[in-house]
Amino acid sequence: KQEVTQIPAALSVPEGENLVLNCSFTDSAIYNLQWFRQDPGKGLTSLLLIQSSQREQTSGRLNASLDKSSGRSTLYIAASQPGDSATYLCGTSYGKLTFGQGTILTVHP
Amino acid sequence: EPEVTQTPSHQVTQMGQEVILRCVPISNHLYFYWYRQILGQKVEFLVSFYNNEISEKSEIFDDQFSVERPDGSNFTLKIRSTKLEDSAMYFCASSPLNAGTEAFFGQGTRLTVV
Repeated sequence: KQEVTQIPAALSVPEGENLVLNCSFTDSAIYNLQWFRQDPGKGLTSLLLIQSSQREQTSGRLNASLDKSSGRSTLYIAASQPGDSATYLCGTSYGKLTFGQGTILTVHP
Repeated sequence: EPEVTQTPSHQVTQMGQEVILRCVPISNHLYFYWYRQILGQKVEFLVSFYNNEISEKSEIFDDQFSVERPDGSNFTLKIRSTKLEDSAMYFCASSPLNAGTEAFFGQGTRLTVV
């Protein structure tokens, strides 16, 4: 059974910092890994999708990497802004998605 | 931009009542999902649906739950006799294909059972 863990549980940084969110998973048999953003009381917004054959994917200030053999993914956010404050979820897919518990990010002005 | 839409956004129901949560997936998508998130907990998979039948379901998805695609656009989740522990945010998602394709989520329905 796939288990997904995210570290840290919460992170508070000043505006402008570069930061890294971590995701680890126990079963490397995945089709892909997705990173999502969730604002309080809202739905999940897809940020990045990394296919199992890929090593990384970039979108604007976001860069996600995947090391399937070690069961790890990282989400790198460059030059953080207050608008980046949200919960970030990673989910591994083998058909259905299995999610971590999320990292709550707060970016202070 | 195409999006998954869910109605209602918030539903309050009495314990033992039946509820139907509605979703309109993105129009050219083939796979549909329901997930739920109990307050403060992880997002959990409930069921996936393809070609008018359930393709996978979790242990949470017991006989109290059912899904249906009654027409070409709607996808519904029915809970027959709600319990207090069914209170959660329910998310619908869709993807073009299953393996290796991106899942898109709706804004969710907050179900409160009193």
